[in-house]
Amino acid sequence: GAGVSQTPSNKVTEKGKYVELRCDPISGHTALYWYRQSLGQGPEFLIYFQGTGAADDSGLPNDRFFAVRPEGSVSTLKIQRTERGDSAMYLCASSSLGQGGETQYFGPGTRLLVL
Amino acid sequence: GDSVTQMEGPVTLSEEAFLTINCTYTATGYPSLFWYVQYPGEGLQLLLKATKADDKGSNKGFEATYRKETTSFHLEKGSVQVSDSAVYFCALKDGNNRLAFGKGNQVVVIP
Repeated sequence: GAGVSQTPSNKVTEKGKYVELRCDPISGHTALYWYRQSLGQGPEFLIYFQGTGAADDSGLPNDRFFAVRPEGSVSTLKIQRTERGDSAMYLCASSSLGQGGETQYFGPGTRLLVL
Repeated sequence: GDSVTQMEGPVTLSEEAFLTINCTYTATGYPSLFWYVQYPGEGLQLLLKATKADDKGSNKGFEATYRKETTSFHLEKGSVQVSDSAVYFCALKDGNNRLAFGKGNQVVVIP
């Protein structure tokens, strides 16, 4: 079956602009996660949705970052007034329940470059 | 908070050599432990996992055992191939369903 998909695969923007990154989870997965991976580092947690609600947004770095999942499937990560330090790979993952040891399956990521 | 530490630096070895990548963790509870792999140009893929102490995860010739007494989850493979060249990440899943990753180790297998 189809895995997690993310669009766009690459995004180049200018400092100060607004960007939206989209994630389509695996069909039927109720939990969705966003992570950010800087070059040479492991992914870092941003936010976790269970259904439509954000169960944990403690990893969002500041109020320029916001994410939604209005129908409990597709999610959009929104970044306002982008800064050069926001340049990174943004990864989305989904899992079936979010409890116990269920595996998180990752998408290919969106590489964001802020000039 | 919960965290994962991987050994420093890339790993370069010859084909058919034995591979070990060390991973230790710090956690307040009893996390699940994972190894993810990132092949060149591809996304993160789950390699193996273990959900409780003394569990052994295995896949594609790789193994790792959840050692609670040493808070470790070292990855091993007895005979590596060129196709195993990739970046390997150790991770734990905390009680809030967040994954905490180590920095990753690049493995280069020379023919």
